[in-house]
Amino acid sequence: DTAVSQTPKYLVTQMGNDKSIKCEQNLGHDTMYWYKQDSKKFLKIMFSYNNKELIINETVPNRFSPKSPDKAHLNLHINSLELGDSAVYFCAITSTDTQYFGPGTRLTVL
Amino acid sequence: KQEVTQIPAALSVPEGENLVLNCSFTDSAIYNLQWFRQDPGKGLTSLLLIQSSQREQTSGRLNASLDKSSGRSTLYIAASQPGDSATYLCAALDPGSARQLTFGSGTQLTVLP
Repeated sequence: DTAVSQTPKYLVTQMGNDKSIKCEQNLGHDTMYWYKQDSKKFLKIMFSYNNKELIINETVPNRFSPKSPDKAHLNLHINSLELGDSAVYFCAITSTDTQYFGPGTRLTVL
Repeated sequence: KQEVTQIPAALSVPEGENLVLNCSFTDSAIYNLQWFRQDPGKGLTSLLLIQSSQREQTSGRLNASLDKSSGRSTLYIAASQPGDSATYLCAALDPGSARQLTFGSGTQLTVLP
């Protein structure tokens, strides 16, 4: 079974729209993360979320917000999408100090 | 602030060759150092994890070393195969409670048949 799943795999939308990316994990671990991988393939952490408390926010615009309806989910909401938001977004969890990544969501903003 | 660098950015080798990928980090106060593989259009797969107290880890044809004092890690791939073609990323895990991973920009490896 896949430890981390994301939906959708691809997301194409117009500038200014609001969208969400869902992440689900089935390992029951507390800490979940969102990463952004830009066109140059550079991965940068956006958020980590532990027990409903946001731990890290790495200079991410406040248009981005993680929401955790329960321990198994950490969804990423993005308001007023901009062209520069186009990237691949990865959800991840930590298990025994190793991070397990979801398959990614490729967001394209037109 | 931790910075991770990987050299070279791209590498092309003939099948069967042994190769080394390099990773350097600026802050030696790491919890562990991890190597990942990323195939085109896919997520990341964890390959090896070296705790800060360890010097190396091995898995099959892969061997990763860690030298905290010099801020360096290497990934050695023996007898490379075309299936090894992928982007290899190293990442340093900070020791704080946030457990933040800082990634290098990756080395894109192509193994030619």
